[in-house]
Amino acid sequence: DAGITQSPRHKVTETGTPVTLRCHQTENHRYMYWYRQDPGHGLRLIHYSYGVKDTDKGEVSDGYSVSRSKTEDFLLTLESATSSQTSVYFCAISAGDTGGTDTQYFGPGTRLTVL
Amino acid sequence: AQSVAQPEDQVNVAEGNPLTVKCTYSVSGNPYLFWYVQYPNRGLQFLLKYITGDNLVKGSYGFEAEFNKSQTSFHLKKPSALVSDSALYFCAVRDRYGNNRLAFGKGNQVVVIP
Repeated sequence: DAGITQSPRHKVTETGTPVTLRCHQTENHRYMYWYRQDPGHGLRLIHYSYGVKDTDKGEVSDGYSVSRSKTEDFLLTLESATSSQTSVYFCAISAGDTGGTDTQYFGPGTRLTVL
Repeated sequence: AQSVAQPEDQVNVAEGNPLTVKCTYSVSGNPYLFWYVQYPNRGLQFLLKYITGDNLVKGSYGFEAEFNKSQTSFHLKKPSALVSDSALYFCAVRDRYGNNRLAFGKGNQVVVIP
């Protein structure tokens, strides 16, 4: 999985609680991404980062925030989890230095269940 | 906005037969196109990509894909399917003038029957 780890790998939480997912990379890649995967929807981009402290919204960003204080770490926070945020969350990285031709590489995923 | 359509939810194929997974795309301008595979309880693995040049792209595990600009398609193919090819396949597209975002299709489940 291209030097990408995600933690935790599984989490069960209750509605209304805050949740933070961590993505850690050892590739020194510039770009990092958070996606969610749901049946019938494929992968949808939540947020992405193009450098330390530089982030932008994806297509399904409501209810999520992110932070990137170091090149290697990208955190995804659900401020107050809801059942609709039950999903599998994937982190991805890309070098971002080839005019958009670079490949995104994915982590192993985190399965989040919100009860 | 860029988008991808994968029209078939599931593709069933007998082992040893040719495998085709269909993908059509929509972007403004020329596209960058990608195929990924996902095995159960795993992350997505990169198979191949089209950037420019030869319309036939060869990738990992014997897969190839053909870029057809007039039909806005990028179908994934394998001449002889293996049972181990059973997985979920995703097509993705990025336009050349936007940011680094990829738009993914909904995925195709491939079932190779022994």
